[in-house]
Parts: sequence; C-alpha cells; structure tokens
Amino acid sequence: GENVEQHPSTLSVQEGDSAVIKCTYSDSASNYFPWYKQELGKRPQLIIDIRSNVGEKKDQRIAVTLNKTAKHFSLHITETQPEDSAVYFCAASEMNTGFQKLVFGTGTRLLVSP
Amino acid sequence: GAVVSQHPSRVICKSGTSVKIECRSLDFQATTMFWYRQFPKQSLMLMATSNEGSKATYEQGVEKDKFLINHASLTLSTLTVTSAHPEDSSFYICSARDGYSNQPQHFGDGTRLSIL
Repeated sequence: GENVEQHPSTLSVQEGDSAVIKCTYSDSASNYFPWYKQELGKRPQLIIDIRSNVGEKKDQRIAVTLNKTAKHFSLHITETQPEDSAVYFCAASEMNTGFQKLVFGTGTRLLVSP
Repeated sequence: GAVVSQHPSRVICKSGTSVKIECRSLDFQATTMFWYRQFPKQSLMLMATSNEGSKATYEQGVEKDKFLINHASLTLSTLTVTSAHPEDSSFYICSARDGYSNQPQHFGDGTRLSIL
C-alpha cells in the first residue's frame, strides 16, 4: 500500500520568511496530492492540491510542486504570516471514479513568529 | 457548497458505553464516506471506507465488530463505537465524497471522544 513520509515535523520561521514542507510517496499509481491545514481541534482544511498531470500549481502565497519521477511533492508558503501557524498534512491518493483513499503524511507543525 | 456536518462534536462517557457519531452531507450526494481517527499530535489514520448501500471496508488492524459503520443513504453515515474503553478516546473525523464528480472529499468538524 501507499506510504507517505513528511519532513520536517516542526518548522519555525519569522514572519515574512518562506516555508517549505516536503513529502515523498511510494505508490507510483498515486495521482492526486492534496495539502491540508489543521488548527487545533478543528477539521483539516484543503489549501491546495495537485494532480499528476501537472508539475506545479500556485494559489496566491501557496504553491505546490510535484516530481513524479522522484515521487516527491512540496508545499511552499511565501511571505508567511502568524495566522499560517498550524499543522500541515500532505496526502496521496489514487483518484478514480467513486474512490479517493487518502494516505496522510505525519504532519508538520509550522510556527510563524511575529 | 459541499458541507459535511458531524455530530456530536464532543462526547464524554463512561467505559463500556456505546457511542454513535453521525456524518451528514448537506448539499451533495455522498457516494463514499470515510472515517478517520486522530490521536493527539498524530496524523489522520483511515479506519474504514463505506460506499452507500454496501458494507464498509475496514483498514488493517481496525476491529469491524467494535467500530460499526452504517451508510444506508446518500447523505448519512454513522460510526458506532461499541463498548468504548479509555484507549478508544480520540478525535474521530468523517469525510464524504461524491464519486460521480471529480471533486475531493470534504471533512466534517470531528468528534472529540473521551472515555472515562
């Protein structure tokens, strides 16, 4: 089955700096890679996702890159703000009709200091 | 759109009690629902997947007789933790997806279960 590894487990940055979180996956059949932000006691919120037919996707301060050959994908947050502080999870899935079994990474606790 | 409602948000009960958690899709047909468990400071672990009208598929290590899942309609799935014990205390989160669309799954707000 799929296995997703995520690094680093914690990341502390100063406000305005960039943050990068990296994930690797094992199953070459995986074709959908979402990123979630989870605040304490809350639901995971989808912040960006990428499918395997695309190498990069950007949404304002957030971008995701995918390297299918190396089986890794990364989340990039630019101009970080204190409200970006949360736990971020990557996930991988084989997305086909009717099914989308997500395997999550272990999470990265991001702390943005003012 | 794409709202998933999960109830209750918090449950505190005695050991040996059975607890039912409901997960409803409010504005779409949830052909597939997922149940996750999340221990403190850990990741989300998939417990089971259910397709409407079918028996749930459980992940390895998850006891199907302890975690009963029902997905009888396209808008409702329930998870019943039977004879709960302190080690079952966790954050349980459901998610739902319309398998006929190409949209990702949508998460409920989660249920914090505390067994005394």
